[in-house]
Amino acid sequence: EPEVTQTPSHQVTQMGQEVILRCVPISNHLYFYWYRQILGQKVEFLVSFYNNEISEKSEIFDDQFSVERPDGSNFTLKIRSTKLEDSAMYFCASSEGVGGTQPQHFGDGTRLSIL
Amino acid sequence: AQSVTQPDIHITVSEGASLELRCNYSYGATPYLFWYVQSPGQGLQLLLKYFSGDTLVQGIKGFEAEFKRSQSSFNLRKPSVHWSDAAEYFCAVGATGFQKLVFGTGTRLLVSP
Repeated sequence: EPEVTQTPSHQVTQMGQEVILRCVPISNHLYFYWYRQILGQKVEFLVSFYNNEISEKSEIFDDQFSVERPDGSNFTLKIRSTKLEDSAMYFCASSEGVGGTQPQHFGDGTRLSIL
Repeated sequence: AQSVTQPDIHITVSEGASLELRCNYSYGATPYLFWYVQSPGQGLQLLLKYFSGDTLVQGIKGFEAEFKRSQSSFNLRKPSVHWSDAAEYFCAVGATGFQKLVFGTGTRLLVSP
């Protein structure tokens, strides 16, 4: 069964540094997402991406964050100037159709630890 | 805006016993409802989904869920729990016109021998 893959599985970064989280969505999916889960809290939506542009974002997704689809297979989340509170599990997801009405398929996540 | 409440933070069930995990949603129009399971160190795996039609939906691993509009609920059930079902379960709601899923806080299922 096709799956979403994320790399790395764990990323440790010094506060203030930039970090890029990588994802390979399911190949025939058109919609891509990033969510995060702070330890012990609920999964929170960050951003959705369709047709090479952001289609929806949450209030969490401020200027510190950016997303990109640099080629036909990868989807990345960049966090500039990381803060301690960015420590979380970051999940990438993809779906065939519009995310609110279609199942989203999630990767195993990248655990980001900011020191 | 959509919201989801999972009132039980932890539930312990004996192996072989039946299971029901509660989920209540808030949304003015027809919701799209999902249950996901997260095993330790793993991502979120889709168990089942409800879009429309039959209010009892079947999913993977022997799970089912029933949509009750009058109660704004979408409870997850399994007739006989296996030790491998121990995990965290998340209910989520989506809606037309939105890209995101809104998740509940999750219910951690413990299975006792």
